[in-house]
Amino acid sequence: DQQVKQNSPSLSVQEGRISILNCDYTNSMFDYFLWYKKYPAEGPTFLISISSIKDKNEDGRFTVFLNKSAKHLSLHIVPSQPGDSAVYFCAARYMEYGNKLVFGAGTILRVKS
Amino acid sequence: NAGVTQTPKFQVLKTGQSMTLQCAQDMNHEYMSWYRQDPGMGLRLIHYSVGAGITDQGEVPNGYNVSRSTTEDFPLRLLSAAPSQTSVYFCASIRGVGYNEQFFGPGTRLTVL
Repeated sequence: DQQVKQNSPSLSVQEGRISILNCDYTNSMFDYFLWYKKYPAEGPTFLISISSIKDKNEDGRFTVFLNKSAKHLSLHIVPSQPGDSAVYFCAARYMEYGNKLVFGAGTILRVKS
Repeated sequence: NAGVTQTPKFQVLKTGQSMTLQCAQDMNHEYMSWYRQDPGMGLRLIHYSVGAGITDQGEVPNGYNVSRSTTEDFPLRLLSAAPSQTSVYFCASIRGVGYNEQFFGPGTRLTVL
C-alpha cells in the first residue's frame, strides 16, 4: 500500500513554461513534506519542503503547494530550464515515525529547449 | 566536507555471495539510513540508525544487516545475495531529530546474478 503516490511517471515541458509535478498521500498523520531531485548516477538532493501547517512555500523558481483536505501537494517550477530535467521524488514524514521518510515512485521531468 | 560517501559505485555478485556496502559521512550527523531504489517504487527504507550503537529496521530489512559502531560509518551487509536484491542502494544522513533534510550519497549499483 503506497502512502505517497506520484501518478505521473513522466512529464515533458517546453523551456520557459511552467512544470507542475503532483503528489498524493493517504496518511493524514504526515506533518512534513519534501521534494528531492535526482540526476542519473547521482544521489537525490533536497529541493524544497513544506510543513503541514502551511499551504505554500516558495524558493526562487520553485514553489510547493499543499492541500491538506485533498491530501495533495504539487511542485511548480517557473520558468522551467533544461537543467531541471531530472527525476523528482515527493517524500513525507510524520513525527511518530521519527526521521524516516516515505517516498513516492518519482516523476521524470524533461524540459525541452 | 566530502558529505556522504559510498563504496563501491558498482558491484556484481553471484547468488549466495555476501558483501558489505560502505557508507561514511563527515558531517557529524546522528541519523543515518539505507534505502534501495527500484523502478516504479521510489526509495524504500532498509535500515536506519539514530546514533552510534543504535539501529532499527525500516520497510524492507530482510536479507540485510547493519551496525553503527561509530558516528561516521554505517555499513550495509548482504548476508546471502539474491537476484531480488539487484537494485541501486543509497545511504543518507540527517543532522538529528528535528531536522528534516536528508543528505544522500551517490549510490551503489548492485547486480546479483
